[in-house]
Amino acid sequence: QVQLQESGPGLVKPSETLSLTCTVSGGSMNNYYWSWIRQPPGEGLEWIGYIYSSGSTDYNPSLKSRVTISIDMSKNQFSLNLSSVTAADTAVYYCARRGTYKFDYWGQGTLVTVSS
Amino acid sequence: DIQMTQSPSSLSASVGERITITCRASQSIAGYLNWYQQKVGKAPKLLIHVASSLQSGVPSRFSGSGSGTDFTLTISSLQPEDFATYFCQQSYGSPYTFGQGTKLEIK
Repeated sequence: QVQLQESGPGLVKPSETLSLTCTVSGGSMNNYYWSWIRQPPGEGLEWIGYIYSSGSTDYNPSLKSRVTISIDMSKNQFSLNLSSVTAADTAVYYCARRGTYKFDYWGQGTLVTVSS
Repeated sequence: DIQMTQSPSSLSASVGERITITCRASQSIAGYLNWYQQKVGKAPKLLIHVASSLQSGVPSRFSGSGSGTDFTLTISSLQPEDFATYFCQQSYGSPYTFGQGTKLEIK
């Protein structure tokens, strides 16, 4: 059973960089797309971007200028960096596996608050 | 971006009832439509993929249909554990977008 677990700071200051890591266990990272999705409190879901196991990436244009997703296959991890954060970036951040046209496995989510 | 619009935004129903949630895409997405269930404080859970395929382990009371721009999620006989928020999501093209959610509450 594939499992994903997010980790990283729960509090980030405005204008700084939000950094999260997702650790994958119970399955191979090969030949899948590994995504980040966020959900502001009480709101809907926003796809941030993904990285393929080969290292190719695709980002949501609304965040593209501030987002970097990277992968470390040797550690079974992929990471999200979101720069120049504001209060609008406060959200629960999920990592997820994109199987064939679907997000089939999700982490439990981690709340990141942007505040000084 | 492809906009996904769900209706209704909220719904009250009783155990045993049959309910339907609708999702409309702003352009044709063929059958590339997924449905997720989210309970409070939990991650979304995949229910239906490519419009009508039941994800492994999901009860058969859940079903999906549609193609093009109009899709539906049906729960044939509501169980107490089904009261949650439901989201549709298009996987036709990037950026992958979600509906705003339908909150299903107990009447």
